[in-house]
Amino acid sequence: GQQLNQSPQSMFIQEGEDVSMNCTSSSIFNTWLWYKQDPGEGPVLLIALYKAGELTSNGRLTAQFGITRKDSFLNISASIPSDVGIYFCAGQHFTSGTYKYIFGTGTRLKVLA
Amino acid sequence: DGGITQSPKYLFRKEGQNVTLSCEQNLNHDAMYWYRQDPGQGLRLIYYSQIVNDFQKGDIAEGYSVSREKKESFPLTVTSAQKNPTAFYLCASNKQGRAYNEQFFGPGTRLTVL
Repeated sequence: GQQLNQSPQSMFIQEGEDVSMNCTSSSIFNTWLWYKQDPGEGPVLLIALYKAGELTSNGRLTAQFGITRKDSFLNISASIPSDVGIYFCAGQHFTSGTYKYIFGTGTRLKVLA
Repeated sequence: DGGITQSPKYLFRKEGQNVTLSCEQNLNHDAMYWYRQDPGQGLRLIYYSQIVNDFQKGDIAEGYSVSREKKESFPLTVTSAQKNPTAFYLCASNKQGRAYNEQFFGPGTRLTVL
């Protein structure tokens, strides 16, 4: 099955630094979703984007839906230790009569206090 | 509180056994999905269902089976035909329709084959 290209795969940052990660695809999506997953838990939805060019914030998180509809990025400002985890992007499109979601391979974030 | 529940949290299976993973949602969502997660990989779709009594195979359906007898429930059976079942299994759901494109996940079940 198709997977999205997500980068970076992992990153170590100092507390207080800003973080940026992105996802790219060869396919066009109707919706971009960003999730955070803690070890042994299910992904939690952080931000949903619905229109090309849309910029949406959720606290210290900001995400954008790329103009081409083939990419999206997520920024985390002023990182804190609890930001540690794996961040996934997901693109949603309507195909074969149903909505399907394609997921990135994740960015593993580690924050050094 | 509305949400998706999965049980059990941890499951151990002997070779040759079938096991069933439970997924229940009280969000009144139409569509439900099962994904498999392996280390370093994105989520892979096993089965999905848009309405009661109907479901379709995803990308890796071999060795798995599902049922959708109730809107709230979408159990997954991992059969003995699945050669490498050790993984983290995630159930998800969403409403159908263009305005409802957000997919929500349960807490997951970790299956280990002994």
